[in-house]
Amino acid sequence: IAGITQAPTSQILAAGRRMTLRCTQDMRHNAMYWYRQDLGLGLRLIHYSNTAGTTGKGEVPDGYSVSRANTDDFPLTLASAVPSQTSVYFCASSPGFGGGETQYFGPGTRLLVL
Amino acid sequence: GQNIDQPTEMTATEGAIVQINCTYQTSGFNGLFWYQQHAGEAPTFLSYNVLDGLEEKGRFSSFLSRSKGYSYLLLKELQMKDSASYLCAVRDRDYKLSFGAGTTVTVRA
Repeated sequence: IAGITQAPTSQILAAGRRMTLRCTQDMRHNAMYWYRQDLGLGLRLIHYSNTAGTTGKGEVPDGYSVSRANTDDFPLTLASAVPSQTSVYFCASSPGFGGGETQYFGPGTRLLVL
Repeated sequence: GQNIDQPTEMTATEGAIVQINCTYQTSGFNGLFWYQQHAGEAPTFLSYNVLDGLEEKGRFSSFLSRSKGYSYLLLKELQMKDSASYLCAVRDRDYKLSFGAGTTVTVRA
């Protein structure tokens, strides 16, 4: 079934550890996004990529990095996790980024940093 | 940047109609989206408005007034499965989405 997959589904991480959240889509979408969702704050954009080889910063990029080596994969790395990065992380993709192109979301990764 | 406001919670009875309002302030408007999100799941697309007026899609309709910075999502003939959070999202001139905090709708029998 076509769509977006994320791994892991959930993770408990010690503060200071490095962690990479994986995101893969098989829809050949050009644009990909990483969001975090916290209670009462809604979804906030961390980083995005409009096409393979390019990335950009969103609203809350500090402490996170991304890469886009190919069309399908868009990993998010926490270099040194802190408790404030406890959140649910959603990866999303869209065919382009204009018109009525909606974003399709992955199932999410629930991360707890202790 | 964007400033998006929507009510935190709404409760309605099965079979009724509920209207979820969304107001926004934006530095560059390029479309408004509504998403549905069931507890523990990913958001899924419901509707898109870029011009003023009403877009109807089955039991769901969405309205936009760009001059007022206002949209609403109308859910008709409510069903128990409509209990979820509804997210209003505004796309800016750089094609990035900003989301409201979401409105949790509870449908009661």
